[in-house]
Amino acid sequence: GENVEQHPSTLSVQEGDSAVIKCTYSDSASNYFPWYKQELGKRPQLIIDIRSNVGEKKDQRIAVTLNKTAKHFSLHITETQPEDSAVYFCAASRKGSNFGNEKLTFGTGTRLTIIP
Amino acid sequence: KAGVTQTPRYLIKTRGQQVTLSCSPISGHRSVSWYQQTPGQGLQFLFEYFSETQRNKGNFPGRFSGRQFSNSRSEMNVSTLELGDSALYLCASSRLSPTTYYEQYFGPGTRLTVT
Repeated sequence: GENVEQHPSTLSVQEGDSAVIKCTYSDSASNYFPWYKQELGKRPQLIIDIRSNVGEKKDQRIAVTLNKTAKHFSLHITETQPEDSAVYFCAASRKGSNFGNEKLTFGTGTRLTIIP
Repeated sequence: KAGVTQTPRYLIKTRGQQVTLSCSPISGHRSVSWYQQTPGQGLQFLFEYFSETQRNKGNFPGRFSGRQFSNSRSEMNVSTLELGDSALYLCASSRLSPTTYYEQYFGPGTRLTVT
């Protein structure tokens, strides 16, 4: 089955600097890659996702890049702010044989701390 | 539109007991997935239900089971609880279709403590 590795496990960044979190996946058939943000005591929230037919997607200060050949994708947060402090999870899934996608496999998470 | 809701939010049970957790998806979402979240193992997929049928299953023992009702609400049950079952149980709903990717939206979770 799919295996998703995520690095680093913890990341501290000065406010205003950029943060990058990287994930690698094992299943070359994976075609959907979401990123979730989980603040302390709250539910994971989808912040951005990318499909395998594009290499990059941006949403304001957040961007995700995908390298299908190397089977890795990354989350980039620019101009970081204190409210960006949270645990970030990457995930991957493949298209099902019949209907929709198969289950999401998650990375182990990155605890991002923004230092004021 | 109301988000995914889960009840109860907190539970304390004793080893050997059983527990039932409930999840109500976003209106119009017919797929419900369940995850176990622990500090050591992260987010582990339990199972997914769509149209009252289990569509995908993770690698958990048979003590973990689920079901889905005709209104898409889902329940999961854990029998013969063990200390290691202490975790945050999250459900997520999705508008599943042949042309829609797996955009899942999570509920707030049920914090289960087994003593």
